[in-house]
Amino acid sequence: SQQGEEDPQALSIQEGENATMNCSYKTSINNLQWYRQNSGRGLVHLILIRSNEREKHSGRLRVTLDTSKKSSSLLITASRAADTASYFCATGLNSGGSNYKLTFGKGTLLTVNP
Amino acid sequence: DTGVSQDPRHKITKRGQNVTFRCDPISEHNRLYWYRQTLGQGPEFLTYFQNEAQLEKSRLLSDRFSAERPKGSFSTLEIQRTEQGDSAMYLCASSLMGQGAEAFFGQGTRLTVV
Repeated sequence: SQQGEEDPQALSIQEGENATMNCSYKTSINNLQWYRQNSGRGLVHLILIRSNEREKHSGRLRVTLDTSKKSSSLLITASRAADTASYFCATGLNSGGSNYKLTFGKGTLLTVNP
Repeated sequence: DTGVSQDPRHKITKRGQNVTFRCDPISEHNRLYWYRQTLGQGPEFLTYFQNEAQLEKSRLLSDRFSAERPKGSFSTLEIQRTEQGDSAMYLCASSLMGQGAEAFFGQGTRLTVV
């Protein structure tokens, strides 16, 4: 089963606008990671935020985490056509002992129109 | 290239045949994950290794699926008696140990069962 749920499922914006994607999850986590996937390609790691962090920045990316609401958001500022991709959140969970795995949501398809 | 590599990139097979995929993780990474992704969905967790030990297997991994990581380095995923429903992208990822470790993905093996 998939732990995270991204919202919206699809988002279409104009170049230069900001894009915000949300992720909700169900259980306690150790960290939350965001990934990008271009059509038919592998996943590229964007940013990781730990459960004791509330906000993190990387270039044009800003991620927030609210553990009380079990939600995270990814903001891409000043979007470019090259940002067109699917974006996934993945929750990192210690499932007992040394077990640890990442569980992905279904993703948000972002289209940035030139 | 020192990233995660997967071989082959594409595989077309007839229903009922066996297939085997290989994943070479980043060399110092202890953890190795296999995921399956179908069109429009996020990656679904299949199984996970810490060094050579297979620590967790998803219920998605039927008895036709087997994964190994014999020396704690590369891993293989074998599917026996393939079915059309096995058609998907099979993704491998690796990470260091530690609950905050980022996972890095390969480009995936796209399997088509005809």
